[in-house]
Amino acid sequence: QVQLQESGPGLVKPSQTLSLTCTVSGASVNSGNFYWSWIRQPAGKGLEWIGRMYTSGSTSHNPSLKSRVTMSMDTSKNQFSLRLNSVTAADTAVYYCARLTAYTHGLAFDHWGQGTLVTVSS
Amino acid sequence: QSALTQPASVSGSPGQSITISCTGTTRDIGGFDYVSWYQQHPAKAPKLMIYGVNKRPSGVSNRFSGSKSGNTASLTISGLQNEDEADYYCSSYTNNRTWVFGGGTKLTVL
Repeated sequence: QVQLQESGPGLVKPSQTLSLTCTVSGASVNSGNFYWSWIRQPAGKGLEWIGRMYTSGSTSHNPSLKSRVTMSMDTSKNQFSLRLNSVTAADTAVYYCARLTAYTHGLAFDHWGQGTLVTVSS
Repeated sequence: QSALTQPASVSGSPGQSITISCTGTTRDIGGFDYVSWYQQHPAKAPKLMIYGVNKRPSGVSNRFSGSKSGNTASLTISGLQNEDEADYYCSSYTNNRTWVFGGGTKLTVL
């Protein structure tokens, strides 16, 4: 079955860069049927979409993050990654990677990683 | 982009039906049929319950249904069960080719 697993440092200092990787099994990040996304959730708060990328390399991200976001993909490892620079305490959250699937009649995040807590603190 | 608007909380007794609303604009919910709903239990990842406004993924109970009217989407849960107690989030595609989530609704089964 499809599984996604986030990995990366759990603690990042303010003004530095948050880097996370999502390893996918049971599906190919190179497949044209899927987009690969990052979503985060501060403690006790709602979900916030960060961005998504496609196998072609095209990306789209939340405009509220003011181009601090970079996403990349390593098809040889079946992974995709997120970099968020100039982090502040407001970036402290559980970060999820998720698969965005194009159904016949809709697009939806149908598989999610378990999430990884990233804390921004000195 | 602004989050979609959901009630902070709803409640119902076992066996009853409840409806959670999700209000957006013509730039998101009103403009596309790409509304989805997610269930999240504490300390767990969200789970897709409804996509394409009213379609259920394989394995999701038919007690869950979705609809949309204008800029407002709704999730209805019928025959409420204790295990339905969770947070629920709506999501929509937007005309900026981005995605937006609702603020979340906490469902309490009394």
